[in-house]
Amino acid sequence: ETGVTQTPRHLVMGMTNKKSLKCEQHLGHNAMYWYKQSAKKPLELMFVYNFKEQTENNSVPSRFSPECPNSSHLFLHLHTLQPEDSALYLCASSQGQGTGELFFGEGSRLTVL
Amino acid sequence: LAKTTQPISMDSYEGQEVNITCSHNNIATNDYITWYQQFPSQGPRFIIQGYKTKVTNEVASLFIPADRKSSTLSLPRVSLSDTAVYYCLLLSGGYNKLIFGAGTRLAVHP
Repeated sequence: ETGVTQTPRHLVMGMTNKKSLKCEQHLGHNAMYWYKQSAKKPLELMFVYNFKEQTENNSVPSRFSPECPNSSHLFLHLHTLQPEDSALYLCASSQGQGTGELFFGEGSRLTVL
Repeated sequence: LAKTTQPISMDSYEGQEVNITCSHNNIATNDYITWYQQFPSQGPRFIIQGYKTKVTNEVASLFIPADRKSSTLSLPRVSLSDTAVYYCLLLSGGYNKLIFGAGTRLAVHP
């Protein structure tokens, strides 16, 4: 138990569907991150939020839309995805942006058919 | 971007000490060297962090030479459950430091 909870753990969706991934951290951190991990590839940083404000978008396609309503919650809205978007999506949080320890959730395994 | 270089894979046997070296020739003054462990289908987990010399905790030791251009993660007496991917990162407050490399895939054999 890392204090970062991701739901759902597994998601299967068609290319025309719209779905959302949710992340919640119970650690009082002020920075949150989305990472993508495709099969046998390194983790790719997607988005960074600091105090609810998006501070980085690492050239992520617009079919991925993040939302951070408060410092404890982070969403990743998905629409018109492609099969190559199938991956493990990991949420993380830290006390400061890019400093100290990153606490990761268990991830959401996404399959796009 | 500061970059780290690690071996792609390593093999070991139960009970042995494993040392994984990470090269970071362009490390900045305010960078901290941080190691993570990742099991399949799970998020990475923090192992240890250091700035210079030696740091030890209950699971590992981190050795950093004076020039800080490399670091070595030492896992004492590994077990089968230590089979995982180990990542070396440099953290100092900028988002561009939160980049994971390919990591080192450690396989521990009986």
